[in-house]
Amino acid sequence: EVQLLESGGGLVQPGGSLRLSCEASGFTLSSYAMTWVRQVPGKGLEWVSVISGSGGNPYYADSVKGRFTISRDSSKNTLYLQMNSLRVEDTAVYYCAKSPGYCSGGGCYSWYFDLWGRGTLVTVSS
Amino acid sequence: EIVMTQSPATLSVSPGERATLSCRASQSVSSNLAWYQQKPGQSPRLLIYGASTRATGIPARFSGSGSGTEFTLTISSLQSEDFAVYYCQQYNNWPPLTFGGGTKVEIK
Repeated sequence: EVQLLESGGGLVQPGGSLRLSCEASGFTLSSYAMTWVRQVPGKGLEWVSVISGSGGNPYYADSVKGRFTISRDSSKNTLYLQMNSLRVEDTAVYYCAKSPGYCSGGGCYSWYFDLWGRGTLVTVSS
Repeated sequence: EIVMTQSPATLSVSPGERATLSCRASQSVSSNLAWYQQKPGQSPRLLIYGASTRATGIPARFSGSGSGTEFTLTISSLQSEDFAVYYCQQYNNWPPLTFGGGTKVEIK
């Protein structure tokens, strides 16, 4: 079965760090673009970061740039989100998602999300 | 940044009726628009991409239309399992990839 499973969420104090993991099964994670999207409970979806399948530059939302780092380990078929200098406003459910997106010939295509994990809750509070 | 605006925020519909949800982009996104469904306690599910192409396994009662800045998601005959929150997302001009604020479809 094709699925994504996030882990690593929890309670952390402001200024602290946390690393989220997203293990893929049923497909090779490194062959696809992967993203993190977050959602404050009861609110809408906010894109956080994306990494392409071709190993190109990762991209980040301005709200997390310089604090969060997206990466993946092909040997573990796992995506990560290293979150440093956490703020109260980073409190949310974090979803990883798979995308068929790619960039070629100066254009980027198909950057929607066709498979989502169940999410992991990150709470930043003192 | 392209801002996506969805309307209405809440739509009250009776089972079996038609639901029409709108999504507007602050500038043209061509046909690079997706729709997602999210039920309480669940993760989002892709419904439509390319503005009008149904994702795998999505029933034919869901249809998408539009291009440029105006898009519509239509549910032709609402079933009980369709009551949820729906989000649009543009992927034409990024970063950032941006979502609309969502439309909640509730039982009338």
